[in-house]
Amino acid sequence: GENVEQHPSTLSVQEGDSAVIKCTYSDSASNYFPWYKQELGKGPQLIIDIRSNVGEKKDQRIAVTLNKTAKHFSLHITETQPEDSAVYFCAASKNTGFQKLVFGTGTRLLVSP
Amino acid sequence: DTAVSQTPKYLVTQMGNDKSIKCEQNLGHDTMYWYKQDSKKFLKIMFSYNNKELIINETVPNRFSPKSPDKAHLNLHINSLELGDSAVYFCASSQGTLNTEAFFGQGTRLTVV
Repeated sequence: GENVEQHPSTLSVQEGDSAVIKCTYSDSASNYFPWYKQELGKGPQLIIDIRSNVGEKKDQRIAVTLNKTAKHFSLHITETQPEDSAVYFCAASKNTGFQKLVFGTGTRLLVSP
Repeated sequence: DTAVSQTPKYLVTQMGNDKSIKCEQNLGHDTMYWYKQDSKKFLKIMFSYNNKELIINETVPNRFSPKSPDKAHLNLHINSLELGDSAVYFCASSQGTLNTEAFFGQGTRLTVV
C-alpha cells in the first residue's frame, strides 16, 4: 500500500520568511496530493491540492510542486505570517475517494513575529 | 453554522467505561468518516459510511462500534475503554465515496485514565 513520509516534523521561521515542507510517496500510481492545515483545537482543513497532470499550483502565498519521477511533492509558503502557525499534513491517493487518502505524519510550523 | 460538529469536545473517563461521541453534518453529504489522531498527530481512518451503510472498517478493535441513524449523523460508541484509546477522534464528511475533498469536525479529545 501507499506510504507517505513528511519532513521536517517541526519548522520554525521568522515572520516574512519562506517555509517549505516536503513529502515523499511510495505508490507510483498515486495521482492526487492534497495539503491540509490543522490549527490548534480544530480539524484539518484542505488548503491546496495538486493532481499528477500538473507540476505546480499556486494560490496566493502558497504553492505546491510535484515531481512524479522522484515521487515527491512540496508545500511552499511565502511571506509567512503568525497566523500560518499550525500543523500541516500532506496526503496521497489514487483519486479513488477521500477514504483512500494516506496522510503524512504532519509538520508543526511556528512563525515567530 | 458549523458544518461538521462533534460532541463532546473533551471527554475524560476511566478505563473500562463505555462512552459515545456524536457527529452531525449539515452539508447534505452522504458519506461520513471517523478518524483517529494519536499523540504524534498521525491521522488514520477508522470507518467510512455511505448512505448509512458501512463501507470501510479498518483494523479497529470491535470495542468500537459506529452507528449511522441517518445520512447526517455518525456516532461512535466505544466499549471497555483502554488507556491506548486516548487520542483525538475526528468526524468528517464528503459528498460521494469518490470525492477527494472532505470537511472535518473540530475533534473530540478522549483521555482514558
